[in-house]
Amino acid sequence: DTEVTQTPKHLVMGMTNKKSLKCEQHMGHRAMYWYKQKAKKPPELMFVYSYEKLSINESVPSRFSPECPNSSLLNLHLHALQPEDSALYLCASSQARALRYEQYFGPGTRLTVT
Amino acid sequence: QQQVKQSPQSLIVQKGGISIINCAYENTAFDYFPWYQQFPGKGPALLIAIRPDVSEKKEGRFTISFNKSAKQFSLHIMDSQPGDSATYFCAASEGRLTAGTASKLTFGTGTRLQVTL
Repeated sequence: DTEVTQTPKHLVMGMTNKKSLKCEQHMGHRAMYWYKQKAKKPPELMFVYSYEKLSINESVPSRFSPECPNSSLLNLHLHALQPEDSALYLCASSQARALRYEQYFGPGTRLTVT
Repeated sequence: QQQVKQSPQSLIVQKGGISIINCAYENTAFDYFPWYQQFPGKGPALLIAIRPDVSEKKEGRFTISFNKSAKQFSLHIMDSQPGDSATYFCAASEGRLTAGTASKLTFGTGTRLQVTL
């Protein structure tokens, strides 16, 4: 099973709202990722967690706040977003071992900021 | 700086034909090269991947050809079907950033494939 689940599927939020995106995997992967994808563009890495610790932050604005409460869950907390933050937000997971690079993506959350 | 260049941007192939998508990279530290298939509104799905110690890998109708000296790799879709119509992304990873941590994928810009009847 290579399933990564994400909730919600769609989210519309105002610029003053606070919302959270959730990602879950049960593959025993210890690396989890958040990506942002704009239309007709490749996924753009935002954050990487390895063994529940933040490993990479690609200079993402602080209005995006990741959290990894346990090895199966990954959250992305959103606050005071801008309309240009509207995008497909993708979660992915992989093993955190040498030579096991395969990343598996979830279906994404379509975020619209009004 | 774009480290993985992908071409063509779009491709139209007749049903039963061969679809070919090319990628070139610059970073010689890359050691893992996956291809992802993405349908509209869905997440990318890992299609096939190769490491630089082999020159070709085949899985069903999908084949990756890899040329280490030229720093190029390509995806061939044999007997293309309308259901293959999607956007394809090549990617590359330079492996472990530090021991026990995650890999970091660098994506190509994507190729929108349309397979016509």
